[in-house]
Amino acid sequence: GAVVSQHPSWVICKSGTSVKIECRSLDFQATTMFWYRQFPKQSLMLMATSNEGSKATYEQGVEKDKFLINHASLTLSTLTVTSAHPEDSSFYICSARGTLPGQINYGYTFGSGTRLTVV
Amino acid sequence: SQQGEEDPQALSIQEGENATMNCSYKTSINNLQWYRQNSGRGLVHLILIRSNEREKHSGRLRVTLDTSKKSSSLLITASRAADTASYFCATGGNNRLAFGKGNQVVVIP
Repeated sequence: GAVVSQHPSWVICKSGTSVKIECRSLDFQATTMFWYRQFPKQSLMLMATSNEGSKATYEQGVEKDKFLINHASLTLSTLTVTSAHPEDSSFYICSARGTLPGQINYGYTFGSGTRLTVV
Repeated sequence: SQQGEEDPQALSIQEGENATMNCSYKTSINNLQWYRQNSGRGLVHLILIRSNEREKHSGRLRVTLDTSKKSSSLLITASRAADTASYFCATGGNNRLAFGKGNQVVVIP
């Protein structure tokens, strides 16, 4: 089945530094990738959608200069949290949608998430 | 905006009992999906029900969909400790998923 690898699973960084999170589709071509943010005991909030080779489309209220998304290939998308601050601490999850035949979940496969803690 | 919205629930049940959770949404849908999330992990797809279906089964899972009421329910029968997780419904459209608030289920061994 379709597999999405997200790395790192957790990261602690100092305030003011930047952190990059990678999301890779291992066995299919991900034409579209999604980045979500999740606060404790809350639902997933879509941050942005990216198509391979195109600029990401950000949801209202999400700072595109703060959360840089790159989808340079059909198997890799990255989310960079720039100049991180404690309020950026959260759980970030990527999802990829591709064209692997036989996907019964309408093509959405999720990574395992990244716990970001900014100190 | 969130299309799927579960009634906020935190269920605590004994192993072997059934767990039922609900989801409501606001707009027309083509399908509705249910996902499970273990603590601190990503989402695992459980089941998808299309708008022209009323009920669907997958193992111990039973999903119903009432498009006239814009609601869905997920039933887990004969629950196990491993079913302890958060469960989310999601509706898709315009090449994106919108998630509801989630139901936290704790199955006590």
